[in-house]
Amino acid sequence: EAGVTQSPTHLIKTRGQQATLRCSPISGHTSVYWYQQALGLGLQFLLWYDEGEERNRGNFPPRFSGRQFPNYSSELNVNALELEDSALYLCASSGRTVRANYGYTFGSGTRLTVV
Amino acid sequence: RKEVEQDPGPFNVPEGATVAFNCTYSNSASQSFFWYRQDCRKEPKLLMSVYSSGNEDGRFTAQLNRASQYISLLIRDSKLSDSATYLCVGQPGGSYIPTFGRGTSLIVHP
Repeated sequence: EAGVTQSPTHLIKTRGQQATLRCSPISGHTSVYWYQQALGLGLQFLLWYDEGEERNRGNFPPRFSGRQFPNYSSELNVNALELEDSALYLCASSGRTVRANYGYTFGSGTRLTVV
Repeated sequence: RKEVEQDPGPFNVPEGATVAFNCTYSNSASQSFFWYRQDCRKEPKLLMSVYSSGNEDGRFTAQLNRASQYISLLIRDSKLSDSATYLCVGQPGGSYIPTFGRGTSLIVHP
């Protein structure tokens, strides 16, 4: 069974540009979670999508947005990139009935560098 | 105060040593707890869930103390390959969003 897949692996952007990150959940999973891990910091919750809807949002500005497609894959968009957006962006997925009592499975992440 | 706090370390131990990490949480409504392992520049991977009754998996033992609001991870007979950052995670009941600690760095040396 394929795990959570993320693309691209690495992304280099210039300040002010937009970045689009993609995530495909484990087959059968309907929820996708996005996290940011900046250097030296813990995982910060960004967004949760379930059944195509945004269910919860972390403490991030509106220029962080995303969507979930009918096949449950997801995009994270970051507009007007700032240097401090440089981080590892991680995606995780879970099934409809999972309360995360079984923990997350993360994708390998997209490392975004803003120059 | 952060919801989940960990000593960042690093904990520097020789092979074969026993090492323990503690993690405190502030949200008394937290019901699910986990330990994740994260290797350098890699994604976190679930190590084990934590139960009040304790949870053992080989050399690893996790424990939850609700009265004092902390969870612990004990690693016996440390291996070089145990070198990593260990993240503790708490999740309130009914919430799908867990809170991650910043992690504790473990370095096992020969």
